[in-house]
Amino acid sequence: EVQLLESGGGLVQPGGSLRLSCAASGFTFRSYAMSWVRQAPGKGLEWASSISGNGGSTFYADSVKGRFTISRDNSKNTIYLQMNSLRVEDTAVYYCAKEAFGDYLSDYWGQGIQVTVSS
Amino acid sequence: QSVLTQPPSASETPGQTVTISCSGSSSSIGSNYVYWYQQLPGAAPKLLIYRNDQRPAGVPDRFSGSKSGTSASLAISGLRSEDEADYYCAAWDDSLTGPVIGTGTKVTVL
Repeated sequence: EVQLLESGGGLVQPGGSLRLSCAASGFTFRSYAMSWVRQAPGKGLEWASSISGNGGSTFYADSVKGRFTISRDNSKNTIYLQMNSLRVEDTAVYYCAKEAFGDYLSDYWGQGIQVTVSS
Repeated sequence: QSVLTQPPSASETPGQTVTISCSGSSSSIGSNYVYWYQQLPGAAPKLLIYRNDQRPAGVPDRFSGSKSGTSASLAISGLRSEDEADYYCAAWDDSLTGPVIGTGTKVTVL
């Protein structure tokens, strides 16, 4: 059974930093790209970042490029999202998601973790 | 960054069919597979359709997807109260070099 468990969320002030983690199990982790998708309160889903299975390729939405860094540790079956220079508009539930069939679109999602940026 | 356009809402009575459209571009839907997700209130998204028209195991055949050119559609037949949810389309976009997710459609069962 695929399981994705996010951690590391919380309340942070504007300009601050936070690192999210997502621990995966139930599949061959290194064989799949992984993504972070976020959802602001009352809004739709927004893709934030993706990373290939071996970590060699990373992709970012324009809204987070230069501020967020995605990485993975295949020995720990975990991906990370380092978020710097956080803004109020980064407030959202952040979901970790597993790639489905080699095109970076997802089939399994974690339960999500809340990130709140506020003074 | 969303460049997939969906109607904000759709509604129908139980037992009827509701169809949700998803309009993209040549670099997104026109060149890549379309996925559809269901998000129940307070829950994480769930995959309904992958690769335009394929259903994962466990998804009822009341849900069907199609694609034509730069647009796609999700049809829900035999509508039930438990189908009340938000629905999103998604596809890779070659120009943006990343996935794009639709604006979302809230389905209401009258």
